[in-house]
Amino acid sequence: DAKTTQPTSMDCAEGRAANLPCNHSTISGNEYVYWYRQIHSQGPQYIIHGLKNNETNEMASLIITEDRKSSTLILPHATLRDTAVYYCIVRVQPLMYSGGGADGLTFGKGTHLIIQP
Amino acid sequence: DSGVTQTPKHLITATGQRVTLRCSPRSGDLSVYWYQQSLDQGLQFLIQYYNGEERAKGNILERFSAQQFPDLHSELNLSSLELGDSALYFCASSVANWDEKLFFGSGTQLSVL
Repeated sequence: DAKTTQPTSMDCAEGRAANLPCNHSTISGNEYVYWYRQIHSQGPQYIIHGLKNNETNEMASLIITEDRKSSTLILPHATLRDTAVYYCIVRVQPLMYSGGGADGLTFGKGTHLIIQP
Repeated sequence: DSGVTQTPKHLITATGQRVTLRCSPRSGDLSVYWYQQSLDQGLQFLIQYYNGEERAKGNILERFSAQQFPDLHSELNLSSLELGDSALYFCASSVANWDEKLFFGSGTQLSVL
């Protein structure tokens, strides 16, 4: 799986959009970008994933650059409850993987997003 | 609430002992994954089961073992415990034999004294 680089920490004011960048310059054509977050000591929570088109769901938007070497997770109206560690993970497309199971999602150190009141 | 249930929430034991952590996946999910999270190592994938069969192995020690039962619940057994095994242990589940979208439980905090 391609390696990802994220800033260690970021601040954002409550009510503003939080834009979390992720660099994955070695991503290959069959690898998806996934975002999870982990609120302090809770289990990680799936946010969104995409291949090359921008994606949006009830939690966030995912913007992937045309060359797919980087992406941005956008939380449109951040609240204090969005304070968490956000993980960007790059992973091969599931249907193209044959044989047994996966090696499991590899969580790096992520970005600690702090929403300021 | 993710729908994944882990018990117990907290476990305190001594070095050399053996413990069993239990996980009930979301209804309908066939895959179960175990992760370990410690302060210095972050979230580490241990092992995955799909419909009762082991499908993938990560950084799981030989002292650790797991299984998935016919009712799809899973147990992680940790034996000959050491101080360094103190960590948060998470279970996750997904519908398919692939961790495209995992749902995590709230974890078991293990403290080895």
